[in-house]
Amino acid sequence: AQTVTQSQPEMSVQEAETVTLSCTYDTSESDYYLFWYKQPPSRQMILVIRQEAYKQQNATENRFSVNFQKAAKSFSLKISDSQLGDAAMYFCAYRSIVGGYSGGSNYKLTFGKGTLLTVNP
Amino acid sequence: GAVVSQHPSWVICKSGTSVKIECRSLDFQATTMFWYRQFPKQSLMLMATSNEGSKATYEQGVEKDKFLINHASLTLSTLTVTSAHPEDSSFYICSAEKYGDTQYFGPGTRLTVL
Repeated sequence: AQTVTQSQPEMSVQEAETVTLSCTYDTSESDYYLFWYKQPPSRQMILVIRQEAYKQQNATENRFSVNFQKAAKSFSLKISDSQLGDAAMYFCAYRSIVGGYSGGSNYKLTFGKGTLLTVNP
Repeated sequence: GAVVSQHPSWVICKSGTSVKIECRSLDFQATTMFWYRQFPKQSLMLMATSNEGSKATYEQGVEKDKFLINHASLTLSTLTVTSAHPEDSSFYICSAEKYGDTQYFGPGTRLTVL
C-alpha cells in the first residue's frame, strides 16, 4: 500500500516571502498522480496543483510550483510571494492509475497528515 | 469548472434519528464519488467509494448499514447516517472524480448529534 508523509506539522512564512512544504511518498508503481490540496478555515478542500508521474516537467500554477523528484519519491510545494489568503492546512495526496486512465475508477486518494501554514503580515 | 456542492452545510439532529447528506457535481458528470469523514485537526478518512448505479464500496471498519450510500445518477450521491448517535458527530466531505483522475471536493457538512 502507498503511504504519504508530510514531516512538517506546522510552518510559518512572512507575507510576500517564499515557503516550501515537503512531502514524500512510498510506492512500487511507476505511474501515478500526485496532488496538493489546500483546506482553509472554511474547510473547503481546494485543488492547488496536480502532477503526473510520467511528466518530468514540474507542474506550476501561478505562485504555486512543485519540485517533483521521482527517484527520491519527493513532491514538495513551493509557494512564492505568500499572501494572507494562503494560510491553510495543506495536504499532499497520491493516486494510483494502475489499469489505465478511464473514468469510473475506484482509485482512492492517499493523504498525508497535513501541514498547517501560517502567513504572518 | 469543477464545482461540487453539498447539502446541508450544517445539521443538528437528535440521537436515534437519520440524516441524509446530498453531494452534487454541478458542471460535470461524475461516475465515481467518494465520502470522507474528518475529525478536528486531522486528515481526511475515506469512508466509501460510490459508483453510479452500483453498490458502494466501504472501507474497512465503516458500518455499511449505518452509513447508507446511494449514487442514483451521474451528478448525485447521498449519504444517510441511520440511527445517529453523538459519536457520529463529525465533518463529512464528499468528492467527485472528473476525467478519471482528479477529485474535486464539496464544502462539507457538519453533523452534530445531540
